[in-house]
Amino acid sequence: GAGVSQSPRYKVAKRGQDVALRCDPISGHVSLFWYQQALGQGPEFLTYFQNEAQLDKSGLPSDRFFAERPEGSVSTLKIQRTQQEDSAVYLCASSLKVQPQHFGDGTRLSIL
Amino acid sequence: DAKTTQPPSMDCAEGRAANLPCNHSTISGNEYVYWYRQIHSQGPQYIIHGLKNNETNEMASLIITEDRKSSTLILPHATLRDTAVYYCIRGRVDTPLVFGKGTRLSVIA
Repeated sequence: GAGVSQSPRYKVAKRGQDVALRCDPISGHVSLFWYQQALGQGPEFLTYFQNEAQLDKSGLPSDRFFAERPEGSVSTLKIQRTQQEDSAVYLCASSLKVQPQHFGDGTRLSIL
Repeated sequence: DAKTTQPPSMDCAEGRAANLPCNHSTISGNEYVYWYRQIHSQGPQYIIHGLKNNETNEMASLIITEDRKSSTLILPHATLRDTAVYYCIRGRVDTPLVFGKGTRLSVIA
């Protein structure tokens, strides 16, 4: 498809497990953003890449959160030792440098 | 800090125009106004954006006041599928979007 693709669509994990969430941006999009959306709230910024460079990770809530984009295309958001408060929808967006961001449908993460 | 102010909810009759207001009184000269909407269980969908001129595309029109302190998103003929949360966001290009709580638009048959 032509849009941003995220997988898995749903993820259930036990507290303490590690999880990895994948984002396939729109082909050719240089910029990639990760957001976290808690239930009933608007999305909140986590981190931003321009090609493979992580330019801003100020929104990552703790050092348990790690994101990478090694070849400047696909990105992975990893959460180590998950906790219940990590339950949320994780959204990925991509854009050409000066164009609006386009979002995927997110990964809904539930920590039991 | 969302940096924009929107009413929490609005209703609109199907087939009528929906006019969604947004206040961004402290907007900077290089900040755009972006509108996104989010339908349940989907990611935010880009609608339209503008700097200072009014804009129109196949989805909506964006009217920005001359002083740029406020704007209005217009859906010319609302349908039931337009029921969603609408976010007005101000920001510079290629920077993270700061979402507020948005306006929950309910289109009523």
